[in-house]
Amino acid sequence: DQQVKQNSPSLSVQEGRISILNCDYTNSMFDYFLWYKKYPAEGPTFLISISSIKDKNEDGRFTVFLNKSAKHLSLHIVPSQPGDSAVYFCAASARKAGANNLFFGTGTRLTVIP
Amino acid sequence: GAGVSQSPSNKVTEKGKDVELRCDPISGHTALYWYRQSLGQGLEFLIYFQGNSAPDKSGLPSDRFSAERTGGSVSTLTIQRTQQEDSAVYLCASSPDRAGETQYFGPGTRLLVL
Repeated sequence: DQQVKQNSPSLSVQEGRISILNCDYTNSMFDYFLWYKKYPAEGPTFLISISSIKDKNEDGRFTVFLNKSAKHLSLHIVPSQPGDSAVYFCAASARKAGANNLFFGTGTRLTVIP
Repeated sequence: GAGVSQSPSNKVTEKGKDVELRCDPISGHTALYWYRQSLGQGLEFLIYFQGNSAPDKSGLPSDRFSAERTGGSVSTLTIQRTQQEDSAVYLCASSPDRAGETQYFGPGTRLLVL
């Protein structure tokens, strides 16, 4: 039972344009959401997070939006750069419920075309 | 400071053999997690340590899997009598204190069971 879903396995974007990566979740207890970036042969690297008390968090070129009513979050990268090409994982946690782990989506492979 | 390290980086073994995977978390991080990623799948939670105790072992797929942590630092994941379906990337992560915080991942161990 996949509680965090990334329905797009891949995405290609031209350099300089916006990349939008989407994520849906089913568990209403989730209150903390994260995006990780993974290059081949490396572990996931933390990118940005958002608490359920917010609907937007911005860090440089990266912005995460959270729509709790739709149980949907998205990661916007603008402008996209070739070095952003990687697999992006969405993850969620139920911190207030004392959850011990993160639930991950299956990832979206982003390719930024120079 | 050093990040999470894992060894070996790659392991090829024969079906039925036992394997040990090691994780060195970030110094001072009390929480440690093991995940695995099978081909084409998201990250699957295996076990969580707080200090040397494992309050959550719910993700271990069978009794062939066990893990321990000593001195609140290094952890070892042991898989006994390996099967081909155990082939995956095994990832270790650590976080500063309580569960559900942002987790920092090691590079993973790629296990191939022939």
